[in-house]
Amino acid sequence: DTAVSQTPKYLVTQMGNDKSIKCEQNLGHDTMYWYKQDSKKFLKIMFSYNNKELIINETVPNRFSPKSPDKAHLNLHINSLELGDSAVYFCASSRTGEAFFGQGTRLTVV
Amino acid sequence: DQQVKQNSPSLSVQEGRISILNCDYTNSMFDYFLWYKKYPAEGPTFLISISSIKDKNEDGRFTVFLNKSAKHLSLHIVPSQPGDSAVYFCAASPFFTSGSARQLTFGSGTQLTVLP
Repeated sequence: DTAVSQTPKYLVTQMGNDKSIKCEQNLGHDTMYWYKQDSKKFLKIMFSYNNKELIINETVPNRFSPKSPDKAHLNLHINSLELGDSAVYFCASSRTGEAFFGQGTRLTVV
Repeated sequence: DQQVKQNSPSLSVQEGRISILNCDYTNSMFDYFLWYKKYPAEGPTFLISISSIKDKNEDGRFTVFLNKSAKHLSLHIVPSQPGDSAVYFCAASPFFTSGSARQLTFGSGTQLTVLP
């Protein structure tokens, strides 16, 4: 009965492809997030989405676009993948306090 | 520009002893601080948090201390157990208005190894 689940867990793809990572939470939280853990292990926020308000980290390339069909889902779509996009991507959700994280998606661009 | 810093990439302690993990921050707007634990191939798991109106919060074996003047917080684990071996992330969030999301800024993590 996973609280925050994301799929796939592993994703290997070629440069230039477009891919999506899906995220669902069953906690009834209003806010969802995408974080990226880079090669130096830093967890950096990419987006937060709360009641149709999207807050974007300005350092995120516009090839990355979050899509939220409803409050329980926040998918991440990436266009024209580059080698530097290889990382672990974490989805998370929260109400007002701590964020709950999914298990991560390891994206490898070859 | 790292606003949250964990200067010790690793820490080893003996089982039963105290583990002390440290974290420093630079942003005066941060008012809410959290510790997460992360095992390999899993997402971070929330451990404990503290608001800036407090200087200590305790939950079982875990205690977080906040020194606002020094912009420093620490996590104490007593007694340490082998199952505590994981990467520990410190995170911080600024004050937010109603309806907005708390965006966490994370440190780089400290690998804790508890030796049996």
